[in-house]
Amino acid sequence: DAKTTQPTSMDCAEGRAANLPCNHSTISGNEYVYWYRQIHSQGPQYIIHGLKNNETNEMASLIITEDRKSSTLILPHATLRDTAVYYCIVRVAGTQGGSEKLVFGKGTKLTVNP
Amino acid sequence: DGGITQSPKYLFRKEGQNVTLSCEQNLNHDAMYWYRQDPGQGLRLIYYSQIVNDFQKGDIAEGYSVSREKKESFPLTVTSAQKNPTAFYLCASRMADTQYFGPGTRLTVL
Repeated sequence: DAKTTQPTSMDCAEGRAANLPCNHSTISGNEYVYWYRQIHSQGPQYIIHGLKNNETNEMASLIITEDRKSSTLILPHATLRDTAVYYCIVRVAGTQGGSEKLVFGKGTKLTVNP
Repeated sequence: DGGITQSPKYLFRKEGQNVTLSCEQNLNHDAMYWYRQDPGQGLRLIYYSQIVNDFQKGDIAEGYSVSREKKESFPLTVTSAQKNPTAFYLCASRMADTQYFGPGTRLTVL
């Protein structure tokens, strides 16, 4: 699975959009971009994933650049409960020649301030 | 209410004792996973099962055992052979290409 690079930490004001970047310059054509978050002492929570098109769900939007070398997770109206570590993961979907395991890097510690 | 449950949330055991961590899901997912997370570290895969009565070792299976007798259940036993068992244990199940996690069990061996 390709490696990802994320900023160590970010701050965001409550009610504002939080834009979390991720670089994945060595991504392969069959690798998806996944985002999870982990609130302290809880299990990771799936947020969203995509291959090449931008994706949106009830939690967030995922913007993937045309060359697929980077992406941005957008939380449109951040709340205090969005304070967590956000992980960007690049992997081959399912078992299509890829590994079963999820490899979490250091992630970005997002702090939403009142 | 659908989801993945892990019990208990906190578990304390004496050194040398085996302990079994519970993981149950009512999502009808075929594949299930056990990960371990240490402070400030990423997840490490212990065991996984793609189907009932079948399971595979992950990267750090030594000192652990699992069973998969029912689709809904994938219990993990931490044996006395595990050298450093104190950690946060996470169970996950997979639908299509996405893994979903339970709330975790924090095991402390005294």
